[in-house]
Amino acid sequence: AQTVTQSQPEMSVQEAETVTLSCTYDTSENNYYLFWYKQPPSRQMILVIRQEAYKQQNATENRFSVNFQKAAKSFSLKISDSQLGDTAMYFCAFMKQGPIVDMRFGAGTRLTVKP
Amino acid sequence: AAGVIQSPRHLIKEKRETATLKCYPIPRHDTVYWYQQGPGQDPQFLISFYEKMQSDKGSIPDRFSAQQFSDYHSELNMSSLELGDSALYFCASSASTGTRDYEQYFGPGTRLTVT
Repeated sequence: AQTVTQSQPEMSVQEAETVTLSCTYDTSENNYYLFWYKQPPSRQMILVIRQEAYKQQNATENRFSVNFQKAAKSFSLKISDSQLGDTAMYFCAFMKQGPIVDMRFGAGTRLTVKP
Repeated sequence: AAGVIQSPRHLIKEKRETATLKCYPIPRHDTVYWYQQGPGQDPQFLISFYEKMQSDKGSIPDRFSAQQFSDYHSELNMSSLELGDSALYFCASSASTGTRDYEQYFGPGTRLTVT
């Protein structure tokens, strides 16, 4: 079974600074996908960034980037130039390769960006 | 771009009543997933459907049932409701073909409150 662990229940960062959210996972699969989802107070699940395990290059999306360490089974999210709108719950998620596979989520990290 | 539609957005029911949640996937998406997110919890996979057939089952109670119809929309039926069923219910959809067949798009969720 796959498990996803987010060891930081809460974090805070000053506006315009950089913050890194941690995520580790456990799997025996070789091919899989990893995601970071953002859930603001509206509770909508918003995809922030995705990483295919077969790609060595770390994914980036504007101010968001990941540090994917496959051997260490680590998948951290770095948010640069933090903005007030980044305040949200962030979930790390794992999905095995396949067209119809459910996602496993971590417990989430509540990020607060302070002005 | 069209997104996943869920209805109703909010639902209040009493214990032992029945509730039906509906999900309309993104056009041309053939796979639907249901997730349950309790207060302060991460989303938990309930069940998925591909081409109107159940494809996988997670931690769905026997009191719940679901199906996918010919137009690919899905309904989650919940009977004998309990206080613990109060949660946010997400539907997600994906396309089984294409370059990103693994990507699930989440709807806004249905907030169910059982009193």
